[in-house]
Amino acid sequence: EVQLVESGGGLVQPGGSLRLSCAASGFTFSSYSMNWVRQAPGKGLEWISYISSSSSTIYYADSVKGRFTISRDNAKNSLYLQMNSLRAEDTAVYYCASATSYDFDYWGQGTLVTVSS
Amino acid sequence: QSALTQPPSASGSPGQSVTISCTGTSSDVGGYNYVSWYQQHPGKAPKLMIYEVSKRPSGVPDRFSGSKSGNTASLTVSGLQAEDEADYYCSSYAGSNNPYVFGTGTKVTVL
Repeated sequence: EVQLVESGGGLVQPGGSLRLSCAASGFTFSSYSMNWVRQAPGKGLEWISYISSSSSTIYYADSVKGRFTISRDNAKNSLYLQMNSLRAEDTAVYYCASATSYDFDYWGQGTLVTVSS
Repeated sequence: QSALTQPPSASGSPGQSVTISCTGTSSDVGGYNYVSWYQQHPGKAPKLMIYEVSKRPSGVPDRFSGSKSGNTASLTVSGLQAEDEADYYCSSYAGSNNPYVFGTGTKVTVL
């Protein structure tokens, strides 16, 4: 059974940093591209970052470019999102999602990040 | 990259059909056959229901179908059931640099 489990969310002050993790199991993690998608409270889904299976290709949404860094460790079956210079508008549930093609086929349960003083 | 446009809400009685539209541009929906649809129940993670415009993942009922015409994609739920009540989001590939865009979301209510 495919499982994606996010962790690392919490309350952080504006300007602070946080590192999210996503632990994968039940599939060959090293063969799949991965993404981070977020959802602000009561709002819609927003794609924020993509990383290819070998980490050779990385993309970011304009809203997080220069502040967030996606990475992965295929030996540990893990995906990461380093978030710096956090703003109130970054408050959201953050999901990791696997990608077989140009879609998001499996999702984690999400981890809540709250940016507030 | 602007979000794809979906109607805020849609509804139907049990057994009826409901169709949700997803309008983009020639740079996303109209330019690629990579439109997908997601179902999200309150407090839960999204679930892939349709990919590559009209394909269903294993385990998704055939009551769910997708199509596309020009810059607009559509999701149809036939034979509505109570458990279909949820938020639905479309997504499209939009080329490199900013590869993915989601729709604004549609809340489906089963009357």
